[in-house]
Amino acid sequence: NAGVTQTPKFRILKIGQSMTLQCAQDMNHNYMYWYRQDPGMGLKLIYYSVGAGITDKGEVPNGYNVSRSTTEDFPLRLELAAPSQTSVYFCASSYGTGQETQYFGPGTRLLVL
Amino acid sequence: GESVGLHLPTLSVQEGDNSIINCAYSNSASDYFIWYKQESGKGPQFIIDIRSNMDKRQGQRVTVLLNKTVKHLSLQIAATQPGDSAVYFCAENISHNFNKFYFGSGTKLNVKP
Repeated sequence: NAGVTQTPKFRILKIGQSMTLQCAQDMNHNYMYWYRQDPGMGLKLIYYSVGAGITDKGEVPNGYNVSRSTTEDFPLRLELAAPSQTSVYFCASSYGTGQETQYFGPGTRLLVL
Repeated sequence: GESVGLHLPTLSVQEGDNSIINCAYSNSASDYFIWYKQESGKGPQFIIDIRSNMDKRQGQRVTVLLNKTVKHLSLQIAATQPGDSAVYFCAENISHNFNKFYFGSGTKLNVKP
């Protein structure tokens, strides 16, 4: 199993540009999550999904959109990138049903200039 | 302990010594906790978890202690090795928010050979 994979690893965007961060998992997990991690700060939940076709906002959803058309994929869309979105983005997944560990991808480092 | 901001607290230990990393959690209703290890440039990796009906749990070379009275969590690493060098952070969860975890900012562990 590859686990949770993310692409790209690093990207530089200009203010106002858009991009999609890709996330895929091959563990047949129901739950998937997107977090951002700012320097010296804890992870903040952006969006999560409890299954294909179902998504919901987390703590910091503004400026982002998600979709979940399949169990495996959970892309994160940035529209009109802003410097405040400079961060490291982590995708995670878990089997679901309750409190359990989440498995994280390697992250995407995004710089908005 | 953990703090918010750009500069993470750092714990420096000699190889072979035991390490103790602390975490103060915020919500007295939190009933599930996880310790994660994050190596530079990588995603967080699950180490050990504990539920609030326990005050101690042991894994391989790691022990987590939970003190609900003072809302304090600690991670003990026995015989610390250079490969243990990383940022360690705790996450708390409240059972009715089954897919929402709140993450601390972390402590950097530096193991000197």
